[in-house]
Amino acid sequence: RKEVEQDPGPFNVPEGATVAFNCTYSNSASQSFFWYRQDCRKEPKLLMSVYSSGNEDGRFTAQLNRASQYISLLIRDSKLSDSATYLCVVNPTDKLIFGTGTRLQVFP
Amino acid sequence: DAGITQSPRHKVTETGTPVTLRCHQTENHRYMYWYRQDPGHGLRLIHYSYGVKDTDKGEVSDGYSVSRSKTEDFLLTLESATSSQTSVYFCAIASSGSSYEQYFGPGTRLTVT
Repeated sequence: RKEVEQDPGPFNVPEGATVAFNCTYSNSASQSFFWYRQDCRKEPKLLMSVYSSGNEDGRFTAQLNRASQYISLLIRDSKLSDSATYLCVVNPTDKLIFGTGTRLQVFP
Repeated sequence: DAGITQSPRHKVTETGTPVTLRCHQTENHRYMYWYRQDPGHGLRLIHYSYGVKDTDKGEVSDGYSVSRSKTEDFLLTLESATSSQTSVYFCAIASSGSSYEQYFGPGTRLTVT
């Protein structure tokens, strides 16, 4: 079983839609969780950290469920510019483990 | 954007030749990392550094070596490039350990023929 698993997608959604991604992780000792965004042929960029209590940044909401070992990312009112691959990242030890990403395509 | 540059940005080389990739940062961050990214795999850690002259192996370190003689520079060397090392290589930096956010350079696209 992979340490971090994500649905690769693609998720094709119209502008204005709400879309959610889940990511599961295998090591219950993981302490830090992040979502990164990666545009095609570009470097990953930190989108947001994920806190135990959940957190929101504008149209983006991240949640952590330790009991079920998954984190989620919700994007409301999708924009064309949200089209990208979203990487789930956890740290089960002293290294970050990256998921393979979920691709989102927002269409007009 | 964090001040991280990588050079070269693109390189094509032949099997068996040595290759050195450079990562340069202007943030004075202590931690630096080298990853490779391949289709079907997440970013995989090759080597990392937690200070000048302090380095350690990551998940996929075979065939790679690193050096860090200055805070701002972290070099990745492929001693004898193989086709399996064709990949996109990203450097990342962090102010603290890997529990903290990492910031990535623009990447180097390496092709080994």
